[in-house]
Amino acid sequence: AQTVTQSQPEMSVQEAETVTLSCTYDTSESDYYLFWYKQPPSRQMILVIRQEAYKQQNATENRFSVNFQKAAKSFSLKISDSQLGDAAMYFCAYRSALGFGNEKLTFGTGTRLTIIP
Amino acid sequence: NAGVTQTPKFQVLKTGQSMTLQCAQDMNHNSMYWYRQDPGMGLRLIYYSASEGTTDKGEVPNGYNVSRLNKREFSLRLESAAPSQTSVYFCASSETAKNIQYFGAGTRLSVL
Repeated sequence: AQTVTQSQPEMSVQEAETVTLSCTYDTSESDYYLFWYKQPPSRQMILVIRQEAYKQQNATENRFSVNFQKAAKSFSLKISDSQLGDAAMYFCAYRSALGFGNEKLTFGTGTRLTIIP
Repeated sequence: NAGVTQTPKFQVLKTGQSMTLQCAQDMNHNSMYWYRQDPGMGLRLIYYSASEGTTDKGEVPNGYNVSRLNKREFSLRLESAAPSQTSVYFCASSETAKNIQYFGAGTRLSVL
């Protein structure tokens, strides 16, 4: 079974600075997807970024980028130019690429990010 | 665009009562999912439906039943609620099993 570990329960960063959230995972599969979801106080789960394991290039979405290290099974999220609206719980998630019967997302326990004005 | 709509947003039940959580999506997605979120934990899959007419158990199915009523709707039923089912419940959908899952706003359920 796959597991996802987020070792930082809480992080804080000054507004406009850069912060990196850590995520490691364990799997025996070679093809899979990794995600970062953001959950603000509204409770809505919002997709931040997705990485496909067979792509070596790190995914980026505006101020959000990942450092995907497949051999190390590490998938960190970097947020540049942090904004007050970035304050939220961030979840790392894994999904197999095997298809039917393996659709579930396996989530880490989350990192609560606080932005300091 | 509505996306994934869950009702109700909040519910309080007494132990032993039953209720159904409703979920509907307007994106013509094939796959739908029910997760629960407990404090200090990530979301865990309860049941999923890969396509209309099919349902399968996830990681924590005990105490729940589901119905894929049609392509749009996927309901979660608690037949006899227990305090251990106090949680936030999320419905999600995706075009296929290989695509991104989009989430509803969640239902906060308390069982007293």
